[in-house]
Amino acid sequence: SAVISQKPSRDICQRGTSLTIQCQVDSQVTMMFWYRQQPGQSLTLIATANQGSEATYESGFVIDKFPISRPNLTFSTLTVSNMSPEDSSIYLCSGGPMNTEAFFGQGTRLTVV
Amino acid sequence: ILNVEQSPQSLHVQEGDSTNFTCSFPSSNFYALHWYRWETAKSPEALFVMTLNGDEKKKGRISATLNTKEGYSYLYIKGSQPEDSATYLCAFQAGTALIFGKGTTLSVSS
Repeated sequence: SAVISQKPSRDICQRGTSLTIQCQVDSQVTMMFWYRQQPGQSLTLIATANQGSEATYESGFVIDKFPISRPNLTFSTLTVSNMSPEDSSIYLCSGGPMNTEAFFGQGTRLTVV
Repeated sequence: ILNVEQSPQSLHVQEGDSTNFTCSFPSSNFYALHWYRWETAKSPEALFVMTLNGDEKKKGRISATLNTKEGYSYLYIKGSQPEDSATYLCAFQAGTALIFGKGTTLSVSS
């Protein structure tokens, strides 16, 4: 399967600031997904990022808080805006699944202080 | 709201022990059931993707079964090794995205 390079791997940020997470895939993928895992919780889908169109957000997530870019079929970014301590989580990007398993980045461990 | 439950939440075994985890998921709108292994600071690694009721898959010492009618899957690890220590995630696929359980964290002592 494809390989995703995700960065940064971790960061500690001040509340009120924003952080942009990048994912680079080594091959073209139609759909990319962004997940969040808050402490003690499941990986939860934030949005689906489609090339050439606006991202599709899940209930409870909004574009103003989590803007996503998908300029081409190998790259996507997620920005966590105006951060608060509740945004402290692991953020994970994913390609697929379509008919096979999904593949993931290494995750970004974010701490907001 | 679709819910995926995994049990136990965590497990500690000795090297050589065999163990198993449970994943329960909605029995309607089923497309596939995924198992992933996730070590800290690494990417989740795909173990199995199962689509058919009664499916059984095996990879080395790890195997999984699937019952879509009653909505559960079991993951088995035979003869656990310290390198098996990780969080095991199951995910239900109804459409294009995955709905994950909270995972089972396995710790294997030598």
